Amino acid sequence: QSALTQPASVSGSPGQSVTISCTRTSSDIANYKYISWYQQHPGKAPKLIFYDVSDRPSGVSSRFSGSRSGNTAALTISGLRAEDEADYYCFSYTGSNSWVFGGGTRLTVL
Amino acid sequence: QLQLQESGPGLVKPSETLSLTCTVSGGSTSRIGYCWGWIRQPPGKGLEWIGCMNDSGNTYYKSSLKSRVMISVDTAKNQFSLKLSSVTAADTAIYYCAGQKVEVDYWGQGTLVTVSS
Repeated sequence: QSALTQPASVSGSPGQSVTISCTRTSSDIANYKYISWYQQHPGKAPKLIFYDVSDRPSGVSSRFSGSRSGNTAALTISGLRAEDEADYYCFSYTGSNSWVFGGGTRLTVL
Repeated sequence: QLQLQESGPGLVKPSETLSLTCTVSGGSTSRIGYCWGWIRQPPGKGLEWIGCMNDSGNTYYKSSLKSRVMISVDTAKNQFSLKLSSVTAADTAIYYCAGQKVEVDYWGQGTLVTVSS
């Protein structure tokens, strides 16, 4: 069981907003502000879309935003588009010279 | 733009050692602040961080794999490598080489390694 829990799936219609949560379920996750998010389309390598909870790499759409509250980080995608359909993963430093991924969330655009 | 490319056998027999190499182009493995390592993804499943080696030569491994894994960096060749010993079918996965700080900035395209006799 991952120390970071994500919902297995979320869905939304084009134009809507969806939020994917990433909850720390283990006290091993220290420095929880160092959360990053990745988008993975089928058959492709993951792509960094958010880091340090709320920083977006150059070239990533502003429709993606990040936040954190307590033990839960969240990725929000606004103005949903068909091309947003993908798997999304959170990633965190555990504080024990180790890193861990969340279990992943499949986003379906209806 | 820095690019990563994995290479190595696509088929490994059970109990043997899986060996992969990642070649870095457009940048250097000596880049300050980076940890060069490996992430894998079993077919149809999620991502699993395996470990990395940083610019100081320190290695960091997932605890459950620590006894079987070794990551090394060859700065002269601008490459880094993964060795995973005593493999079983559970080690069948797409293996990605990666460059990370706290977040993973750089990814290889991935290479499928199947463990089977």
